[in-house]
Amino acid sequence: DTGVSQDPRHKITKRGQNVTFRCDPISEHNRLYWYRQTLGQGPEFLTYFQNEAQLEKSRLLSDRFSAERPKGSFSTLEIQRTEQGDSAMYLCASSTTPAMTGYTFGSGTRLTVV
Amino acid sequence: KQEVTQIPAALSVPEGENLVLNCSFTDSAIYNLQWFRQDPGKGLTSLLLIQSSQREQTSGRLNASLDKSSGRSTLYIAASQPGDSATYLCAVSVSGGGADGLTFGKGTHLIIQP
Repeated sequence: DTGVSQDPRHKITKRGQNVTFRCDPISEHNRLYWYRQTLGQGPEFLTYFQNEAQLEKSRLLSDRFSAERPKGSFSTLEIQRTEQGDSAMYLCASSTTPAMTGYTFGSGTRLTVV
Repeated sequence: KQEVTQIPAALSVPEGENLVLNCSFTDSAIYNLQWFRQDPGKGLTSLLLIQSSQREQTSGRLNASLDKSSGRSTLYIAASQPGDSATYLCAVSVSGGGADGLTFGKGTHLIIQP
């Protein structure tokens, strides 16, 4: 297993455009998490899935954000009508249930909204 | 709500020194604690995972301790090297996963001077 993969690594978009990120978790992990990290801050929880079910969303996740995990495998995070405040690093992580072996993070997607 | 604090926020030391990074958390009912390393613009790399029943974990030149009753963890780095320069993040899991997920500190930005 190659760990958690995220694509793309970097994304520059104009304000108002839609963007979609992809995360491929470790295959044995049934939980998948999305976090957002801004400069100088620790990552903040956005949402998580157990298999294909989205079980919790943070209030940080506005209506412009949507996440899916069809068939409990990879996940996508879409941001509609991007704003400059959406510029951040978007991190994906996966774990077993419970997280006895901790969380494994991907390399992240750096979003810049201009 | 769990809060995680890391001290110092930044640290610069000459190569070869031993150093200690501190992490404190407000809710002692944790499931496990994880130390991560983050290089600029990159994702998170797990360094050490300490289960709530453990007191310490070691990996090479790294040693992490956990004192649940006092809500503290330390990361000890022996014989520091310039390649250790990075941001070190402490994260606690309260429920072992799920919406609580991981709560992160803001990190300690470490610079090792050659």
